[in-house]
Amino acid sequence: QQPVQSPQAVILREGEDAVINCSSSKALYSVHWYRQKHGEAPVFLMILLKGGEQKGHDKISASFNEKKQQSSLYLTASQLSYSGTYFCGTRLAGGTSYGKLTFGQGTILTVHP
Amino acid sequence: NAGVTQTPKFRVLKTGQSMTLLCAQDMNHEYMYWYRQDPGMGLRLIHYSVGEGTTAKGEVPDGYNVSRLKKQNFLLGLESAAPSQTSVYFCASRQLSGTGELFFGEGSRLTVL
Repeated sequence: QQPVQSPQAVILREGEDAVINCSSSKALYSVHWYRQKHGEAPVFLMILLKGGEQKGHDKISASFNEKKQQSSLYLTASQLSYSGTYFCGTRLAGGTSYGKLTFGQGTILTVHP
Repeated sequence: NAGVTQTPKFRVLKTGQSMTLLCAQDMNHEYMYWYRQDPGMGLRLIHYSVGEGTTAKGEVPDGYNVSRLKKQNFLLGLESAAPSQTSVYFCASRQLSGTGELFFGEGSRLTVL
């Protein structure tokens, strides 16, 4: 099953913060986050493994609650360059997944000056 | 470094025609994937390969075939194109181990009339 992302779209002013959520109905081994600019390929942001870790990437960080099968992406002090569509990709726990990711439907983030 | 290269980048087909999309990676990655991206649906896995000479079905394999005769190349074929296959197709690859980061090609936009 495809993970569910919320919200579907966010509009921000430069400097504002945003949170994007990703929720799965199945037990997860890891959650990946990608950003895609219009007309371009998705670009890797970070991966979170089960264990509840939190990671950061400049002013973008994320957390993973494996008990709830949820991950959140935090964007602080947003910049114009943060605009794009954010996807979470989930890898299921157990068995051999060969690194296959199931992606959410995406969250469109727009940052205005 | 070219990374992941997809050809062609754009193609228009008539219903019933056949075509092949080529994905080439120069990073010596073991795993390769074909995804399709449709508005509001994120990225959905069509087929994947865990090594030269091996392929497996993903979430939405119907109407597509794949081959991986050489480690660096992963081909996606449409034997008899249908309008429902109008989409943007992304190829991705990753290492056998490591972070699990997917490296995406720039995409191939296919329109079936």
